[in-house]
Amino acid sequence: SAVISQKPSRDICQRGTSLTIQCQVDSQVTMMFWYRQQPGQSLTLIATANQGSEATYESGFVIDKFPISRPNLTFSTLTVSNMSPEDSSIYLCSAECSGNTIYFGEGSWLTVV
Amino acid sequence: SQQGEEDPQALSIQEGENATMNCSYKTSINNLQWYRQNSGRGLVHLILIRSNEREKHSGRLRVTLDTSKKSSSLLITASRAADTASYFCAPFSSNTGKLIFGQGTTLQVKP
Repeated sequence: SAVISQKPSRDICQRGTSLTIQCQVDSQVTMMFWYRQQPGQSLTLIATANQGSEATYESGFVIDKFPISRPNLTFSTLTVSNMSPEDSSIYLCSAECSGNTIYFGEGSWLTVV
Repeated sequence: SQQGEEDPQALSIQEGENATMNCSYKTSINNLQWYRQNSGRGLVHLILIRSNEREKHSGRLRVTLDTSKKSSSLLITASRAADTASYFCAPFSSNTGKLIFGQGTTLQVKP
């Protein structure tokens, strides 16, 4: 299995500000993904973080709002820009490991006030 | 779509009883993965079953897969209060390389 660490685990942010979430995997992985889970909802895929190239965004998500970095095979960041209360969610990082098994981090719980 | 759809949406049982959750999907898959999510936490990977497997066990968990019916089931035997959580199935296809989640099944195990 893989251990995926996310920071911060929880934060309260002022509207209009931006926050960067970090995701560290304890082994090298090819594919990393970012999800959002709004209160009481299921997980929605934001984007696939590609190493060495731009992230691939799902419909409804744009790079200006959710810029993603993937500088190497073990690390990625997701920035939530110009936050509004609607961005209050759990943001989850995941990574595809051997045998196509996909593991998740503990999530970063953001509240925008 | 590749999304898994869980049924029922909610399930409430007594401790010691078995819990069965079902999953249906519409596309061809390479494997199907089941996850548990405790309230406000991340997803815990429970089990992965490959498209050429019909049944898999892990502790008190039993997963079946019927690719002809495009369905899977998760059985939790001798449930415990600590099993109270949301459970998600996630069909995986190497064509897309990503997991799309349905609404999940919310399981409540009463002590």
